Amino acid sequence: SAVISQKPSRDICQRGTSLTIQCQVDSQVTMMFWYRQQPGQSLTLIATANQGSEATYESGFVIDKFPISRPNLTFSTLTVSNMSPEDSSIYLCSFEGQGSRNEQFFGPGTRLTVL
Amino acid sequence: LAKTTQPISMDSYEGQEVNITCSHNNIATNDYITWYQQFPSQGPRFIIQGYKTKVTNEVASLFIPADRKSSTLSLPRVSLSDTAVYYCLVVKNRDDKIIFGKGTRLHILP
Repeated sequence: SAVISQKPSRDICQRGTSLTIQCQVDSQVTMMFWYRQQPGQSLTLIATANQGSEATYESGFVIDKFPISRPNLTFSTLTVSNMSPEDSSIYLCSFEGQGSRNEQFFGPGTRLTVL
Repeated sequence: LAKTTQPISMDSYEGQEVNITCSHNNIATNDYITWYQQFPSQGPRFIIQGYKTKVTNEVASLFIPADRKSSTLSLPRVSLSDTAVYYCLVVKNRDDKIIFGKGTRLHILP
């Protein structure tokens, strides 16, 4: 199966700054997803990113706060803008596999701490 | 998307069989039942998926009754390394987002 990686693996940022998280897949995939997982909690879907179109955001998430790029079929970025301590979380990207079943493969996550 | 309900946490001992039950009363005809496993500091990993009756792979078995309103993930002879969070999800076959519930935090004791 395809390999998925994220950069950075972790970061500590100051309030009011922005961080861009990169997600790279080693093969072409149609749909990529971005999730947030707060400490001790489940995953919350932020948005779905298809190549060549605007990302589709879930309720409670907006493009101004979490702009997403999907320039090609192997890469996506998520920016966390104007950060506050409440944005401290793990951010994960995933993609849907090529098989017939709806199986997603997840990256290792980016652990973000906002001071 | 059908909502799922599963126990918040479970404890078991090494060598035991562990069964985690999930209810999904509003499952639709074209929905599949899927389980993911998440170890600390890692992303979730797909374990097993089924539509009805029983599915078995090298990791687990999935039992689904005829009404499909619940399912049971069975982990045979668990070890300490099976300590993880297990998520039950109801998903469409393809091309659809998946929504995670709270999951079951399984703790295996020596």
